[in-house]
Formats: sequence, C-alpha cells, structure tokens
Amino acid sequence: DTAVSQTPKYLVTQMGNDKSIKCEQNLGHDTMYWYKQDSKKFLKIMFSYNNKELIINETVPNRFSPKSPDKAHLNLHINSLELGDSAVYFCASSQVEGSPLHFGNGTRLTVT
Amino acid sequence: GQQVMQIPQYQHVQEGEDFTTYCNSSTTLSNIQWYKQRPGGHPVFLIQLVKSGEVKKQKRLTFQFGEAKKNSSLHITATQTTDVGTYFCAGNKNAGNMLTFGGGTRLMVKP
Repeated sequence: DTAVSQTPKYLVTQMGNDKSIKCEQNLGHDTMYWYKQDSKKFLKIMFSYNNKELIINETVPNRFSPKSPDKAHLNLHINSLELGDSAVYFCASSQVEGSPLHFGNGTRLTVT
Repeated sequence: GQQVMQIPQYQHVQEGEDFTTYCNSSTTLSNIQWYKQRPGGHPVFLIQLVKSGEVKKQKRLTFQFGEAKKNSSLHITATQTTDVGTYFCAGNKNAGNMLTFGGGTRLMVKP
C-alpha cells in the first residue's frame, strides 16, 4: 500500500499551460506539504497544510495554488507555466508539523 | 531566518572507504532528522535525534547530534554501492515548527 501517492509521475507541457498535480496520503496524518526540488537537489518548502488549513505559504508565485479538499488530499494547481517551473515536485505528509516526513514519489515537471 | 548548511556537497569514495557528512545550523535545534534520496527516488526518513550529544546507530550508519544542538553528522563505515544517493539533514527550531532542509550531500561510490 502506497502511503503518499502523487500523480502524474511525469508531466511535460508547454509554456503558458495550466496543470495540476494530485496528492493523497493514507497515513492519517494531519499535515501535508508541497516541496520543490531543483536540478541541484535543493528541497524547498512551498506550502504546508494542517487539517485542510494553510499554515505556510513560502514565497512562491501566486500562479501556484494548493487546494486541500480534506486532510488526506493536497493538490497543486499551476497556472501559466514558465520554463523556470521545471523541477521535481514532492508531496509529503507528517503526523504533526515538524515530525518526520513521508514523501510521495515525486512529479517531474518539464516545461518546454 | 534559520539556515541549515551541509558539507560537503559531493563526495566520491571507493567502495569500502568511510564517509561523513556534516550539518550545521545557525540556530539551536529542537531536533534533527536525516533523509536519504536514491538517484531518481524520493527522500526517505532515516532517523531523528532529539537529545544533546545523542548518538544513534543503524548498521553501518552512525548519527550524532552535537552538544549545543546546532550540528549533526552522519558517518557511514565501509561504504557499499547501495549507499549511493543524496543525504539530507533537516532541523527545526522548535518542536512543531517547519523543518528546514540542508542542501544535501551527494555520495558516489566507486565499485
């Protein structure tokens, strides 16, 4: 059973398009996150949600909009994609904020 | 804001050699966590250290948390090709706060 699953695994799209990445966790965790990992492997927090409510919104363009319909799901919608958005996006969850993270397998986004 | 630095960025070792990565925080940490990311994979939680001066072992891996709770290290004895990957430390200032990740150390092992 996959604990944190995100789809799709790969996403190739053109500049200007809108795309979504979905994430679901079956661990019963209260907190979910989106991280961006660039080509140098830096892991940068984008958003953190606790029980469907936004806790952290790091400095990301407002083209990125997370949505949490319930505490087991945290989706990421990106409008007007740009070349610089190309990266691997990881969803993660933890029991509470600051406790060990369980990561999804990642979505490799390529914007052409 | 809180910063977590990791050195070295990259390390090539011959299989059988030892390897150490160091993690330093600009502020005192509540706890520190270590993760391993295999090439093409996702970060996987390895361990959490909470107490000042704590040392924990997992087979060939030894994790230390400094006395001042501002630094940590991961030491691998007699590396194997399966150890290849990027090792990240992550710390938070207070329990329940957001984790700050170090930049990672990429380990390459030559067979």
